[in-house]
Amino acid sequence: GENVEQHPSTLSVQEGDSAVIKCTYSDSASNYFPWYKQELGKRPQLIIDIRSNVGEKKDQRIAVTLNKTAKHFSLHITETQPEDSAVYFCAAPNTGGFKTIFGAGTRLFVKA
Amino acid sequence: EPEVTQTPSHQVTQMGQEVILRCVPISNHLYFYWYRQILGQKVEFLVSFYNNEISEKSEIFDDQFSVERPDGSNFTLKIRSTKLEDSAMYFCASREGLLSNQPQHFGDGTRLSIL
Repeated sequence: GENVEQHPSTLSVQEGDSAVIKCTYSDSASNYFPWYKQELGKRPQLIIDIRSNVGEKKDQRIAVTLNKTAKHFSLHITETQPEDSAVYFCAAPNTGGFKTIFGAGTRLFVKA
Repeated sequence: EPEVTQTPSHQVTQMGQEVILRCVPISNHLYFYWYRQILGQKVEFLVSFYNNEISEKSEIFDDQFSVERPDGSNFTLKIRSTKLEDSAMYFCASREGLLSNQPQHFGDGTRLSIL
């Protein structure tokens, strides 16, 4: 069945360092890969997404890379700041996008 | 910017009672979703809805659950006979179009507490 694996479950970095979170997915028909940031008690907020016709997308300090052959996609945050501390989820839809599977989440701590 | 709105923000219900969670998706959106998030865990897909029909549902979405779009604006999730394990945050989301590579927009959620 469909599955999305996310690693690591917890990541602690010093302010200014980079953070990388990785996901793998199983449904080869998946064509859209969003990343969500969730602060405590809040809704998941879309921070960046990538479609399967591109390999990389960047938006200021965040970037996402996609390797469709290996079914991997990664979130990269550069120059991390304390306000980047949150739980980050990757996700992938099944064929048709009727069902979205979320990864287990990565709790990112950025130490000042 | 248009938003998905959910009410109530917090619902406390006795076990065995029925509960209805309400959502107003973004007005021109066509696909609607319900997700559940147990405290400290991942977001879990419950059901998707398009053209007044369920498109897909997960194993969690059993006979105790139902969804409805009663009036063209509201999108509701009903749990018929609540159990303790239904305690969770429930998020509604909507998507604008038919393409699966479009983003979903989430509401702020309803925290459901079953006593």
